[in-house]
Amino acid sequence: RKEVEQDPGPFNVPEGATVAFNCTYSNSASQSFFWYRQDCRKEPKLLMSVYSSGNEDGRFTAQLNRASQYISLLIRDSKLSDSATYLCVVNNNAGNMLTFGGGTRLMVKP
Amino acid sequence: DTGVSQDPRHKITKRGQNVTFRCDPISEHNRLYWYRQTLGQGPEFLTYFQNEAQLEKSRLLSDRFSAERPKGSFSTLEIQRTEQGDSAMYLCASSPTWSGVEDTQYFGPGTRLTVL
Repeated sequence: RKEVEQDPGPFNVPEGATVAFNCTYSNSASQSFFWYRQDCRKEPKLLMSVYSSGNEDGRFTAQLNRASQYISLLIRDSKLSDSATYLCVVNNNAGNMLTFGGGTRLMVKP
Repeated sequence: DTGVSQDPRHKITKRGQNVTFRCDPISEHNRLYWYRQTLGQGPEFLTYFQNEAQLEKSRLLSDRFSAERPKGSFSTLEIQRTEQGDSAMYLCASSPTWSGVEDTQYFGPGTRLTVL
C-alpha cells in the first residue's frame, strides 16, 4: 500500500464547476500536509498547506481529518487555468522529507 | 531569477554511461533535497543535505547513485553505469533551516534524463 494515495483521475469538468479531490495517508505520525500543483512537464509548486482547522485561499479550500487520515481539496468556480495535476503531500517530520501521492489530474473544459 | 536552478534541463545518454546533474538552491537555504519522478507518478525522495552534510538517503538511492554538496551551496547528483530504468525527471528542492514542520520546499525545473 502506498503511503499517500490519490485517485489519479482524470477529472473532466466544465468551467465554473466545483470539484473535490481526496487523499489518504497511512502514517498516523505525519506532521504536516500540503497540496502541490504540477503542470505538464514542470516542477511541483506549493498550492497551499493544510491545517486541522481547514483553510481557504480564494477559490481553494483544504481540509484535514487526522482521525481518518484524510485530506481534501475543493476548487470552486473552476477556471481553464486550473487544469493541472494536484499532488497530495505529507511531511512525516523525519528530516523534513516530503512524501507525495501519485497525483490527481484535473482537466477543465470550456 | 533567484529560484532553484538545475543544469542540464535535458540529458540523453546511452546505457552504461555516467551522468552528473547540478542543482543550485535558493541562496541561504540550508536544506537541499533530491527527488526522482517517473511518468504518471509523484516525486520520490532520494536524499537530502543540511548544509554540506548528507543526512538521509532513500533505499531508492542504489550504490550507482552518489550526491554531494561539498561547500553547502550547490549539489551534484551522479549516476554511474546508467540503466534504462534510471530514465526519469530528477528534481531538486531547497528549504530554509528547519524551524518547524511547515517549511516550504521550493522545487527547481528538473533535469529530464533519458537513457537509451
